[in-house]
Amino acid sequence: GQNIDQPTEMTATEGAIVQINCTYQTSGFNGLFWYQQHAGEAPTFLSYNVLDGLEEKGRFSSFLSRSKGYSYLLLKELQMKDSASYLCAVRGNDYKLSFGAGTTVTVRA
Amino acid sequence: DSGVTQTPKHLITATGQRVTLRCSPRSGDLSVYWYQQSLDQGLQFLIQYYNGEERAKGNILERFSAQQFPDLHSELNLSSLELGDSALYFCASSVGRENSPLHFGNGTRLTVT
Repeated sequence: GQNIDQPTEMTATEGAIVQINCTYQTSGFNGLFWYQQHAGEAPTFLSYNVLDGLEEKGRFSSFLSRSKGYSYLLLKELQMKDSASYLCAVRGNDYKLSFGAGTTVTVRA
Repeated sequence: DSGVTQTPKHLITATGQRVTLRCSPRSGDLSVYWYQQSLDQGLQFLIQYYNGEERAKGNILERFSAQQFPDLHSELNLSSLELGDSALYFCASSVGRENSPLHFGNGTRLTVT
């Protein structure tokens, strides 16, 4: 089975930086994905990590340490539109993509 | 727009009834996934198909079934509906490789009364 943990909620100020942590325990590992989901909408793909290290994509970066079963998503220069739920998802050996419960980020002016 | 089409957008039905949710994947995608998202829960994986064959199964109830057709569209059938089945049901598609992200449809909101 798979166990994916991430904080339930985080609050930050517009223009600031927020780091969302994700720890996982899986049967095998074939990649970790981050998704953004606004309330009532479909999740949208943000990033993919399969090797250790940092992947940067504009204001968003994602880091992976396979030995520690740990990833984080870094959101820089926060904007009000970044208020959303951020989902960590892990693909194990069984083709399934399992999602964590999500971290709700609230950006305040 | 992800390119994944789900119908209907909303469905209201009574307990004990049966419904069918439909999904058309993005052009070129061979794999289809179904997820259930309730208000107090995250995305729960139900089932995955790849090019017409079942590839992975999650905690899908026996009252639920799905299939992927030769034209790659998929249907999720929910029967003997209970109040607790009320949720947002998402379909997602991907090319099918390990590193390929899932692209989600806008979901079908099912309300069982």
